[in-house]
Amino acid sequence: EVQLLESGGGLVQPGGSLRLSCAASGFTFTKNAMSWVRQAPGKGLEWVSIISGRGGSTSSADSVKGRFTISRDNSKNTLYLQMDSLRVEDTAVYYCARIDQSTSDNFDYWGQGTRVTVSS
Amino acid sequence: SYELTQPLSVSVALGQTAKITCGENIIGTKNVHWYQHKPGQAPVLVMYRNSNRPSGIPERFSGSNSGNTATLTIDRAQAGDEADYYCQVWDTNVVFGGGTRLTVL
Repeated sequence: EVQLLESGGGLVQPGGSLRLSCAASGFTFTKNAMSWVRQAPGKGLEWVSIISGRGGSTSSADSVKGRFTISRDNSKNTLYLQMDSLRVEDTAVYYCARIDQSTSDNFDYWGQGTRVTVSS
Repeated sequence: SYELTQPLSVSVALGQTAKITCGENIIGTKNVHWYQHKPGQAPVLVMYRNSNRPSGIPERFSGSNSGNTATLTIDRAQAGDEADYYCQVWDTNVVFGGGTRLTVL
């Protein structure tokens, strides 16, 4: 059974940093690209960042480019999101999601999410 | 940039058919995917590549995509279908629609 379990969320002040983790199990981790998607309070889903299966290729939304870094440790089956220079508008529930290997353009499994609150 | 337009809300009577649309210029040339998202839960893929149902998704769910509109159709709507529904495409990167709140009356 595919499982994605996020952790690392919490309360941080503006300008601060946080690292999110997503522990994956139930599938061959290196075979799937992975992504982070967030949902701010009262808002819809917003794609944040994506990384290829072996980690050699990444891309991020303009709203986080230069501040957030996606990475993965395939030896630990874990996805990360390093968030620096956090802003109030980064407050959201952050989900990790697996890219469907057969289609390469949709998410077939999601985690339950971890909440990040940026506030002074 | 590519933007997907969804109605903010759709209401449907119990047992009737709900249609949720996702619009953008020539969306019919793209693969559209749909997610169901209930409060406090992980989003769930309910339709991929326009009209393909993942295993475990009831046959009541169907999808279509043509011209400037993609549509998710839910037949015989049930109370358990109440959720937010998001369409998604891949342009230069991932794009989500704004989401539609489905209410079953």
